[in-house]
Amino acid sequence: TQLLEQSPQFLSIQEGENLTVYCNSSSVFSSLQWYRQEPGEGPVLLVTVVTGGEVKKLKRLTFQFGDARKDSSLHITAAQPGDTGLYLCAGAPRGFKTIFGAGTRLFVKA
Amino acid sequence: EAGVAQSPRYKIIEKRQSVAFWCNPISGHATLYWYQQILGQGPKLLIQFQNNGVVDDSQLPKDRFSAERLKGVDSTLKIQPAKLEDSAVYLCASSFEGSGNTIYFGEGSWLTVV
Repeated sequence: TQLLEQSPQFLSIQEGENLTVYCNSSSVFSSLQWYRQEPGEGPVLLVTVVTGGEVKKLKRLTFQFGDARKDSSLHITAAQPGDTGLYLCAGAPRGFKTIFGAGTRLFVKA
Repeated sequence: EAGVAQSPRYKIIEKRQSVAFWCNPISGHATLYWYQQILGQGPKLLIQFQNNGVVDDSQLPKDRFSAERLKGVDSTLKIQPAKLEDSAVYLCASSFEGSGNTIYFGEGSWLTVV
């Protein structure tokens, strides 16, 4: 069974704090995607990481793909209430269909 | 560019009733997906179409769920008869060749079975 494990499952922080969420697997991925899903909406793509060790920045969000392409992290600097949502990682292990992690539910308090 | 369109957005039905959801993918996207997302979980693939052919329906409960994409464009997902555990968000998504593994989602159809 191919799994993407995300941690933590739930995170509640104050506005202005930094945080990191993780996405781990025992499988190798050709790429990983990070999505954010707001309440009542479908997931929206934030970024795709492709190369082992790759770092991508999207304003206050920094995404890193592990050197072995088995894991990824998302770091948010100075979190804001607008960052509240469910963060999902997804990827397709070689030869398999795209799978999603269970997500990290983030709540940023003003 | 218009996104993935889904309807209805919300539906409440009694168990053993039937329900149908409709999806219109992004224009030109050959691949269409139906996902089920239960509260607190990530999306789970129910069925994947490439044009009007089924690529993967291994996780579709075929005794009660059916889906079609007759003309290779829009699609319908039907549940009959519904069970309480079918309460979930049904997400339609699409992708195109060359998008890598990037999937574009609709807003979802929220089903409550009582």
